[in-house]
Amino acid sequence: GQNIDQPTEMTATEGAIVQINCTYQTSGFNGLFWYQQHAGEAPTFLSYNVLDGLEEKGRFSSFLSRSKGYSYLLLKELQMKDSASYLCALGNPDKLIFGTGTRLQVFP
Amino acid sequence: EAQVTQNPRYLITVTGKKLTVTCSQNMNHEYMSWYRQDPGLGLRQIYYSMNVEVTDKGDVPEGYKVSRKEKRNFPLILESPSPNQTSLYFCASTPLTGNEQFFGPGTRLTVL
Repeated sequence: GQNIDQPTEMTATEGAIVQINCTYQTSGFNGLFWYQQHAGEAPTFLSYNVLDGLEEKGRFSSFLSRSKGYSYLLLKELQMKDSASYLCALGNPDKLIFGTGTRLQVFP
Repeated sequence: EAQVTQNPRYLITVTGKKLTVTCSQNMNHEYMSWYRQDPGLGLRQIYYSMNVEVTDKGDVPEGYKVSRKEKRNFPLILESPSPNQTSLYFCASTPLTGNEQFFGPGTRLTVL
């Protein structure tokens, strides 16, 4: 299997920066996805990395290193509404393998 | 409004009583998928479809069936539900040339 690992929980303070890591043990995937999921709601797409490097999208950035089997999601200028679960997933748009997600709590 | 809809949103049923969860998308997407989400296990793909009449198993297909007779609809069928199918189910769709999966609002199923 792909064995996708993420920390279970993280906490951070409003206005701070947080980095959520994702490691995996496979090379057979097209791209790496990050999704945000608020409790009881559907996941929403945040980013997609195909090539190694950093993809920046407003307050959110995602990084991929295929040689290291590693990705991270960087959230800047944290807001209370960023409290959610963040899901790392590998594969193609039609077939995704998800990690178990990281629950982020942002405190005032 | 572009969206993926699922029905019902909540369902409590009993073991062995056949049920269908409908999924419909109005974005003309080729790809559609079904996932279940369980605490500690994350989202796991049940079935996916690359286009009309083309379906394939995901990681946890046992106990489920799907069909794709029309491009917009991708129903999930539980012929004989069991308590271990109690879960939160999501349908998703993706365009052929895109990367983002658009998820439906979810269906919370309880099998007693």
